[in-house]
Amino acid sequence: DTGVSQDPRHKITKRGQNVTFRCDPISEHNRLYWYRQTLGQGPEFLTYFQNEAQLEKSRLLSDRFSAERPKGSFSTLEIQRTEQGDSAMYLCASSLGVNQPQHFGDGTRLSIL
Amino acid sequence: AQSVAQPEDQVNVAEGNPLTVKCTYSVSGNPYLFWYVQYPNRGLQFLLKYITGDNLVKGSYGFEAEFNKSQTSFHLKKPSALVSDSALYFCAVRLGNDYKLSFGAGTTVTVRA
Repeated sequence: DTGVSQDPRHKITKRGQNVTFRCDPISEHNRLYWYRQTLGQGPEFLTYFQNEAQLEKSRLLSDRFSAERPKGSFSTLEIQRTEQGDSAMYLCASSLGVNQPQHFGDGTRLSIL
Repeated sequence: AQSVAQPEDQVNVAEGNPLTVKCTYSVSGNPYLFWYVQYPNRGLQFLLKYITGDNLVKGSYGFEAEFNKSQTSFHLKKPSALVSDSALYFCAVRLGNDYKLSFGAGTTVTVRA
């Protein structure tokens, strides 16, 4: 069990640029989740995949956000035309089944200049 | 809708003393409850969960939590706190037929030597 891996750990970019984050879940986990965490707050749900199917997207996920999980393994989260308000920690989690706990990666911290 | 409240932003205890971190929930249905811990610049680590069964749940690192349906609470406890328990603790809830977690705002625990 190598845990959930996220890359990069930190991303600094200028407003208006596009960014893409990657998440590699625990290998046998078929469920994958993205959350966003801002300073002083708990994580907020963004989206959920079961295998390669994206089953739910939060209202927080505006049209500038897109997530994929093309082969039911790793996932990417892309933010287009970044804004100051996108600065946050983006967390990925995976789980084996619906009653199993979600295991989190260490996150990607995004800073918008 | 589902939500979690952590009424204390901070909890301070001396090493060796009991530690309690409070959590109350609101959900229309049977709740699945979780506790996670977060260290600086890291993701969330799973501590314990309540799905069904015994109201007292034992988890990692000597932590336990008690589910109280009448008070809609799920307080985290540790009989004897360690300095290394100093971290940010999150309570989370989800409905049994759902998959996304709703987190509280977190409680910062400081254990002084």
